[in-house]
Amino acid sequence: AQKITQTQPGMFVQEKEAVTLDCTYDTSDPSYGLFWYKQPSSGEMIFLIYQGSYDQQNATEGRYSLNFQKARKSANLVISASQLGDSAMYFCAMRERRKTSYDKVIFGPGTSLSVIP
Amino acid sequence: NAGVTQTPKFRVLKTGQSMTLLCAQDMNHEYMYWYRQDPGMGLRLIHYSVGEGTTAKGEVPDGYNVSRLKKQNFLLGLESAAPSQTSVYFCATQPRRDRDNQPQHFGDGTRLSIL
Repeated sequence: AQKITQTQPGMFVQEKEAVTLDCTYDTSDPSYGLFWYKQPSSGEMIFLIYQGSYDQQNATEGRYSLNFQKARKSANLVISASQLGDSAMYFCAMRERRKTSYDKVIFGPGTSLSVIP
Repeated sequence: NAGVTQTPKFRVLKTGQSMTLLCAQDMNHEYMYWYRQDPGMGLRLIHYSVGEGTTAKGEVPDGYNVSRLKKQNFLLGLESAAPSQTSVYFCATQPRRDRDNQPQHFGDGTRLSIL
């Protein structure tokens, strides 16, 4: 069964510091994708970054990078130079690439990040 | 450029009442999903659709029904609302899988309270 674990229910980081949000996953499928979403207090889900299971390099998008360790089945999100606007819930999600047309996406429980001025 | 639009945004129901949530998309995406979000549990899939006229059950389908009569619309129905269905409901869309890195596109959510 698929499962996404985010062991940090809440985290604090000082403004301008870097922070790592943990995500571990469990799948027997060799082909899958990992996503991170941000949900600010306003409620919308914002896509941040993607990592494919066959990607050789860690994904980066601006201040966001993904520390992908395939053997350990972890896909941690690193936010550099934290800003007050980074305060939000962060969700890790996984999608298996199945032979059928449907791509099931599993979400983790989320981590609440608070950036302290 | 609306993207994914959910209506209503807020609703309060009494136990036993019925209602329908509407998700409308203008991105011509094939796949559509309904999730519910509860504290500490992330998003859980209720029902999904891979195309017009087709629907299937997700992880937590009990108490909900869906229909996708038109490609751009995905309706979620509560036949007899229960307090356990108090939640925030999200609709999401996704294009047919052409590239692995296609993220889901979400609506802004519907906050539903059942008294």
